[in-house]
Amino acid sequence: AQKITQTQPGMFVQEKEAVTLDCTYDTSDQSYGLFWYKQPSSGEMIFLIYQGSYDEQNATEGRYSLNFQKARKSANLVISASQLGDSAMYFCAMRETGNAGKSTFGDGTTLTVKP
Amino acid sequence: EAGVAQSPRYKIIEKRQSVAFWCNPISGHATLYWYQQILGQGPKLLIQFQNNGVVDDSQLPKDRFSAERLKGVDSTLKIQPAKLEDSAVYLCASSFRRTETNTQYFGPGTRLTVL
Repeated sequence: AQKITQTQPGMFVQEKEAVTLDCTYDTSDQSYGLFWYKQPSSGEMIFLIYQGSYDEQNATEGRYSLNFQKARKSANLVISASQLGDSAMYFCAMRETGNAGKSTFGDGTTLTVKP
Repeated sequence: EAGVAQSPRYKIIEKRQSVAFWCNPISGHATLYWYQQILGQGPKLLIQFQNNGVVDDSQLPKDRFSAERLKGVDSTLKIQPAKLEDSAVYLCASSFRRTETNTQYFGPGTRLTVL
């Protein structure tokens, strides 16, 4: 069963505006980690932000923040003040304690920033 | 701090040929992962090492794929014989530990084309 669902295959945003990329997950573990990665056309996966299941506050890293709603099992990525260089594929991933720390990735969302 | 190194970056082979990929993780990272990323999909874990031992290889097609990490540092992933459906990007990642809180850092990947 798919454990990470990213329902938006593609998203467009105007430069300097904010955008939210959706991610829902499924797990029976109490302890897990949620990650977002960026993959530009060059192919490298770049770590953006991490949220632990026990973290009470939403994670933030510069222009990136993670809107964590545990009861709804969602971990949406918010990018503020979009830049042209943000155009890339974005992946949500989860690591579970009960699964040897194995990561499961969603199928990604392609973000295009328009000038 | 040097990142995860992979080589080669690109490889084109005929079906039924063999191919090998090399990965050098971040210094001090005990856990090493190999992922297969087919175009348009998220990465799929093939094998996970903890030091030189295999933690998870449940999704590794063992009839044709093999991987080793003999000294607990570098790793090699081999495909023999290759099939058309093996065309993908092969990503290597490493993390300090394999717990759910540990971030995985990825190398640039090897893009394999099987003709």
